[in-house]
Amino acid sequence: NAGVMQNPRHLVRRRGQEARLRCSPMKGHSHVYWYRQLPEEGLKFMVYLQKENIIDESGMPKERFSAEFPKEGPSILRIQQVVRGDSAAYFCASSPPSPGSYNEQFFGPGTRLTVL
Amino acid sequence: GENVEQHPSTLSVQEGDSAVIKCTYSDSASNYFPWYKQELGKRPQLIIDIRSNVGEKKDQRIAVTLNKTAKHFSLHITETQPEDSAVYFCAGVSGGSNYKLTFGKGTLLTVNP
Repeated sequence: NAGVMQNPRHLVRRRGQEARLRCSPMKGHSHVYWYRQLPEEGLKFMVYLQKENIIDESGMPKERFSAEFPKEGPSILRIQQVVRGDSAAYFCASSPPSPGSYNEQFFGPGTRLTVL
Repeated sequence: GENVEQHPSTLSVQEGDSAVIKCTYSDSASNYFPWYKQELGKRPQLIIDIRSNVGEKKDQRIAVTLNKTAKHFSLHITETQPEDSAVYFCAGVSGGSNYKLTFGKGTLLTVNP
C-alpha cells in the first residue's frame, strides 16, 4: 500500500512564475490537507479538501494561492506569481473519512519550493 | 484559534539519558495531541498520540503525559539513542474541528554517542 505521494520533490521557480504541487493520497483516503513549513518552523495548516470540495481554506493566503482535489487525479496546490517568501516545504497529508472524530493524517514526503 | 507553544527549541543529551519536551496549548476544547518526529529532509511521522480522556500513554521508550487542567502535555524519551536525533513536533487538534492540526515550532533533539 503506497503512502502519500507528492511531486515534484524539489521545485525551483523564478519570481513571478507559477508553481504547481501535486499530491496523491493513500489508497482509500478521500481527505487531503496541505501544510506549509517555513525554515525552522512548525507546519502550518493551509487547506482541507475532499473530492471536488474545499472544506476549510482558512490557512490559505488570500491571493495567489489556490487548491483543488478533482474527482479524478491528484490534489493540486497552485501558487501564482511566486515571491521569495513562498520558499518553503509544502506537505500534503491524507486521511480516511472522519465522521465525528479525528483520524490520523499520513504525511507525504513534501515538495521543497525555492523561489529565486 | 488554537495556539501551541513548544520548549525547548533545542535539546542535547548523552546517549542513554532521558529527554523531555514540553508543550502548552490554548484551546481548552482541544481533544487530541499527536507527536511527530521529522528527520532532516524527511516527512513528519507520528510517533505517539494521546486523547484528552487519558492522562498518560506509553509505547516502549516513548511516553506522553497530558495535564488538561494546566493545558500542557509532554513527550518523554528514555534510554535515548543516536537514531532518536531529529526534530520533534507537538500538535493539537482544535476542539472546533476534528482535523486541523496546530503544530508547535519544534525541538531539535541531538543525542550524542
